[in-house]
Amino acid sequence: DGGITQSPKYLFRKEGQNVTLSCEQNLNHDAMYWYRQDPGQGLRLIYYSQIVNDFQKGDIAEGYSVSREKKESFPLTVTSAQKNPTAFYLCASSLRNTEAFFGQGTRLTVV
Amino acid sequence: QKEVEQNSGPLSVPEGAIASLNCTYSDRGSQSFFWYRQYSGKSPELIMFIYSNGDKEDGRFTAQLNKASQYVSLLIRDSQPSDSATYLCAVTTSGTYKYIFGTGTRLKVLA
Repeated sequence: DGGITQSPKYLFRKEGQNVTLSCEQNLNHDAMYWYRQDPGQGLRLIYYSQIVNDFQKGDIAEGYSVSREKKESFPLTVTSAQKNPTAFYLCASSLRNTEAFFGQGTRLTVV
Repeated sequence: QKEVEQNSGPLSVPEGAIASLNCTYSDRGSQSFFWYRQYSGKSPELIMFIYSNGDKEDGRFTAQLNKASQYVSLLIRDSQPSDSATYLCAVTTSGTYKYIFGTGTRLKVLA
């Protein structure tokens, strides 16, 4: 079955620790995205990538980093510079100007 | 700043009624328009997309687009309690892969 897989579903981070969220798609989509959603809020774009080895900052990129070494994969690292990382993180993929498909999300909590 | 605006709600409608959800956008270059449904704690799922002015119907759902007035709406006929969710409006601009999301409207269908 084609789709987007995010892992893990739940992630706990200690203060000062870097963590990496995984996102894999087998839809052969060119573009991939990372969004952050806080309780009762909409989706805010962190990073997006239109092609392999290229990515652009979204509206809230500070404290995050990404890579796009393969078309299928777009991991997100939440660094220690992100002071308030507790949120629901959503990965998506799309072709140009068509609908974006979302993974099931990763809920990150700082402990 | 290119924006997509939605009334946060909640919008409460009785079961069997028509629910009307509205979205306005600021970028006149916006080309593609999407409605997503998001249940609490879950990832967004596509309900409708529309590219041209006018109405587009799919079962109980109708999307309406008016580019001159820069708004897009979603009508849900015969609303059911299972339609209770947050509805997110998203737009893309020609030549980009970037999606801009509204903050969503929470719909409550009362049995």
